[in-house]
Amino acid sequence: DIQMTQSPSFLSASVGDRVTINCKASQNINRYLNWYQQKLGEAPKLLIYNANSLQTGIPSRFSGSGSGTDFTLTISSLQPEDVATYFCLQHNSWPYTFGAGTKLELK
Amino acid sequence: QIQLVQSGPELKKPGESVKISCKASGYTFTDYAMHWVKQVPGKGLKWMGWINTYTGKPTYADDFKGRFVFSLEASASTANLQISNLKNEDTANVFCATGGMSPFAYWGQGTLVTVSS
Repeated sequence: DIQMTQSPSFLSASVGDRVTINCKASQNINRYLNWYQQKLGEAPKLLIYNANSLQTGIPSRFSGSGSGTDFTLTISSLQPEDVATYFCLQHNSWPYTFGAGTKLELK
Repeated sequence: QIQLVQSGPELKKPGESVKISCKASGYTFTDYAMHWVKQVPGKGLKWMGWINTYTGKPTYADDFKGRFVFSLEASASTANLQISNLKNEDTANVFCATGGMSPFAYWGQGTLVTVSS
């Protein structure tokens, strides 16, 4: 199985800060990596698919980069509504696997 | 717009069975696979497997072979997950998810299954 190592697991930042979250795959997953935002009690929401494509309706302050084994989600200017847990998903090969999540809070 | 609406929360005893439904709308049901994902409250997510909505063929992740059955009611654009012989460790929020530009683009709201004696 492909292991997805996500870091950090917890992040505290201020409004307007640039925030980065990383996912490292245990083997090459090409660009088959999605990023999600999940707020308490809600379903995950797709932010970025295939490493760097912005899902329709998602603000442009969210961006993704990377390929192969190393991937990054960037929020260019943190907003209060971005407080949530973020996680990655690899859909290159079965079984599909998720990162453990990054809990983002406001400082 | 694509929407997935799941059935409501379930409270079951160990050994019982449960069936969760996921009704799709806003697209042609057979165009995209339907995936199932488990999330233990406060924990991470685990892919349970998927069902080919065109052929009806299910594929199960290793940890979900035996007691778990994916099925379809294609005429009703609905995917179902049945779990038999429930165990305490089956307590979780279960999501259905389907594709668009990417698999897992759209998610149901989740169904909380609680197993307790």
